[in-house]
Amino acid sequence: EIVLTQSPGTLSLSPGERATLSCRASQSVTSSYLAWYQQKPGQAPRLLIYGASSRATGIPDRFSGSGSGTDFTLTISRLEPEDFAIYYCQHYGGSPPLTFGGGTKVEIK
Amino acid sequence: QLQLQESGPGLVKPSETLSLTCTVSGGSVSSSSYYWGWIRQPPGKGLEWIGSIYYSGSTYYNPSLKSRVTISVDTSKNQFSLKLSSVTAADTAVYYCARWGVLFWFDPWGQGTLVTVSS
Repeated sequence: EIVLTQSPGTLSLSPGERATLSCRASQSVTSSYLAWYQQKPGQAPRLLIYGASSRATGIPDRFSGSGSGTDFTLTISRLEPEDFAIYYCQHYGGSPPLTFGGGTKVEIK
Repeated sequence: QLQLQESGPGLVKPSETLSLTCTVSGGSVSSSSYYWGWIRQPPGKGLEWIGSIYYSGSTYYNPSLKSRVTISVDTSKNQFSLKLSSVTAADTAVYYCARWGVLFWFDPWGQGTLVTVSS
């Protein structure tokens, strides 16, 4: 089973700052199957990035994804007030289980 | 616009079976391009994949839950369902249904439904 470890657990930043979130896999994974989600309190997760670097429909271009192998990054270039939320990475390698990272909370400093 | 809506009891007794249904609107569960999945989130915790199903009935389950989980699809009602047997308090969670795309992402998600396991 592939384990996804997200860091940091919490990121305290101010609006306008750049956020860099990490997702590390326990073994090399296929980038095509790496996704990122945003979850706000009381809401369902929302797909942000799929295929490690492709933005989902309607996602602002301040969100970008990168990485390969075992190391993946979600970057928010300039934080907007609505970006403060929890972010999860997710991978499925073609056979169960599909796994999620533990999440990174981006909070207002 | 594709929408998913979970429904089912919000309270289940320990040792009983949790049953939820996801109704799909604005699209078809019979689409050959997608699977459909269930994900859960215990209060204050992270996301856990439960399993996924194709319209033909092919299923993929999380090995950690496989012995207790059954996911089925009803194309005539445009729904898919989850059954989780022998529940305990550890199964208390918000349960989400979602479309599972060809690159294995989930989008969109239902709003989620809280299921509490308690006597």
